[in-house]
Amino acid sequence: RKEVEQDPGPFNVPEGATVAFNCTYSNSASQSFFWYRQDCRKEPKLLMSVYSSGNEDGRFTAQLNRASQYISLLIRDSKLSDSATYLCVGGGSQGNLIFGKGTKLSVKP
Amino acid sequence: DTEVTQTPKHLVMGMTNKKSLKCEQHMGHRAMYWYKQKAKKPPELMFVYSYEKLSINESVPSRFSPECPNSSLLNLHLHALQPEDSALYLCASSRLTGYNSPLHFGNGTRLTVT
Repeated sequence: RKEVEQDPGPFNVPEGATVAFNCTYSNSASQSFFWYRQDCRKEPKLLMSVYSSGNEDGRFTAQLNRASQYISLLIRDSKLSDSATYLCVGGGSQGNLIFGKGTKLSVKP
Repeated sequence: DTEVTQTPKHLVMGMTNKKSLKCEQHMGHRAMYWYKQKAKKPPELMFVYSYEKLSINESVPSRFSPECPNSSLLNLHLHALQPEDSALYLCASSRLTGYNSPLHFGNGTRLTVT
């Protein structure tokens, strides 16, 4: 089992929709998780940090379920500008951060 | 605006060339990283420096040679690269290594090896 796994998508949703991505992790010792957003041919940018059960920032909500070892990212009222690849990051067994493969989101008018 | 600065933004080099990628951060972060990213793949860790010492080398070929001259600077020296080394090279920094500090990425250097 990979240490951090994501559904690669793509997720194609209309503007205004609510969309959720899940990410599972295998290292139960991992304390913190991060969601990054990456636009085509750009660097990943930190979207949200998750240190406890969850975090909310405007239209974005991240939740952590330690019992089931997954993190979710919920985007409400999707905008065209939300189209990007979303990367889940968690702690690996070697003490470093591990990236999931990313989930591609396309928001259509 | 990114707080991690990478130069150059684009680089084209031949297989016999020697070039260097540069990275700088002034956030007081003590961990710095080099990642390689191919199209439609996540970033792949190459090297980690912690307190200016190399702490992780992910079995990277010796044609890639990292250097950390001080706590703010990170270089990646390139020599005798192959066309398959063409990729986006990302520098990142974090307050500390480990699980709890998020990575802050530079804009990247898009490298093409001809």
